[in-house]
Amino acid sequence: EDKVVQSPLSLVVHEGDTVTLNCSYEVTNFRSLLWYKQEKKAPTFLFMLTSSGIEKKSGRLSSILDKKELFSILNITATQTGDSAIYLCALTGANNLFFGTGTRLTVIP
Amino acid sequence: NAGVMQNPRHLVRRRGQEARLRCSPMKGHSHVYWYRQLPEEGLKFMVYLQKENIIDESGMPKERFSAEFPKEGPSILRIQQVVRGDSAAYFCASSSGVGSYEQYFGPGTRLTVT
Repeated sequence: EDKVVQSPLSLVVHEGDTVTLNCSYEVTNFRSLLWYKQEKKAPTFLFMLTSSGIEKKSGRLSSILDKKELFSILNITATQTGDSAIYLCALTGANNLFFGTGTRLTVIP
Repeated sequence: NAGVMQNPRHLVRRRGQEARLRCSPMKGHSHVYWYRQLPEEGLKFMVYLQKENIIDESGMPKERFSAEFPKEGPSILRIQQVVRGDSAAYFCASSSGVGSYEQYFGPGTRLTVT
């Protein structure tokens, strides 16, 4: 059965810190891995990763995939209070996304 | 370009009533997915639909739940005879089609069963 495990489950940091969120997975047929940010409402798409070793970057956020070791990381540099959210990692299945339970990030001023 | 729209945003039903949740996909998207998020749990896939077709309903409970995506109008997730355990946030997502793995989510409908 496909599996997505995110760690840590929750994290509290101070503004300006750098954080690394982890997502490890087991899947029969890998298609892609996606990262979402969920605040109080809809998950917002961040990145889609399909190839190993190619970093995707958007502002202070970046992500990379390792298909050999079956994990991805999401980095956030110079964190801000607005980064407080649940970060979700998901695998693309045949017809759906298979989500981990997320990492709850809290950024303290 | 409007994003995925869901309504209502909040819905309160008494046990035994019916809940109808609506989802309009992003413009240009013809694929709709429904997910359920229980408190303190991750998003769980329920059903995947294209216009007038259910493609994959492997995540739907066998009873009381149904979904449709008619030729005209929004996709509807219907829950009959709701029970307390149905209380959750129900999210709809859409994508442009096969080969597109990016799904864009609506704001969700928070269902509370009293």
